[in-house]
Amino acid sequence: QQPVQSPQAVILREGEDAVINCSSSKALYSVHWYRQKHGEAPVFLMILLKGGEQKGHEKISASFNEKKQQSSLYLTASQLSYSGTYFCGAQFSGGYNKLIFGAGTRLAVHP
Amino acid sequence: KAGVTQTPRYLIKTRGQQVTLSCSPISGHRSVSWYQQTPGQGLQFLFEYFSETQRNKGNFPGRFSGRQFSNSRSEMNVSTLELGDSALYLCASSLGLAGVGEETQYFGPGTRLLVL
Repeated sequence: QQPVQSPQAVILREGEDAVINCSSSKALYSVHWYRQKHGEAPVFLMILLKGGEQKGHEKISASFNEKKQQSSLYLTASQLSYSGTYFCGAQFSGGYNKLIFGAGTRLAVHP
Repeated sequence: KAGVTQTPRYLIKTRGQQVTLSCSPISGHRSVSWYQQTPGQGLQFLFEYFSETQRNKGNFPGRFSGRQFSNSRSEMNVSTLELGDSALYLCASSLGLAGVGEETQYFGPGTRLLVL
């Protein structure tokens, strides 16, 4: 039931791009993206709703593919501050309100 | 506006003991969710409280319990601690039920529990 995130880890140089995927075997209603830096609380990035539009937040954007039951987080022209662990939280269709989080994707951006 | 606060920030307990963790949500938020975070496991959902009622529950044993007070503050209790309970326990608050529509959860800094 836990959504599957890929890749598990990414290493980038500043300015490079990355894509993090969050896939579900169950129908998704919404996907919530968070970033957690070491020793800190997860910070909300954005929500993607089923049937909703692609969202953007500075150079970080995300999409929701209903056919694939997958959300993708796009990080463009990465900055050192993007380093951290990215989690997707899935809300499944069918009236279940709780968020089930993936295991996370660790992103390290180096100069 | 003050964020979500959790106390204590660090705890060391021994097997068999019990522990109570506290979470104060953002002012005006009525929902509090609790998560257990361990390396490699991500965030495991424990339960959610809304208006003093448990609305959702994850797959944890009955040793894990919680409650919410009329001011929306929440406590989580773990009885008969086991070594495997060592983890970071995060609480998150939201205005309404988490995961409904575009309802956003805001996380606290967590309580790091070490069971020896």
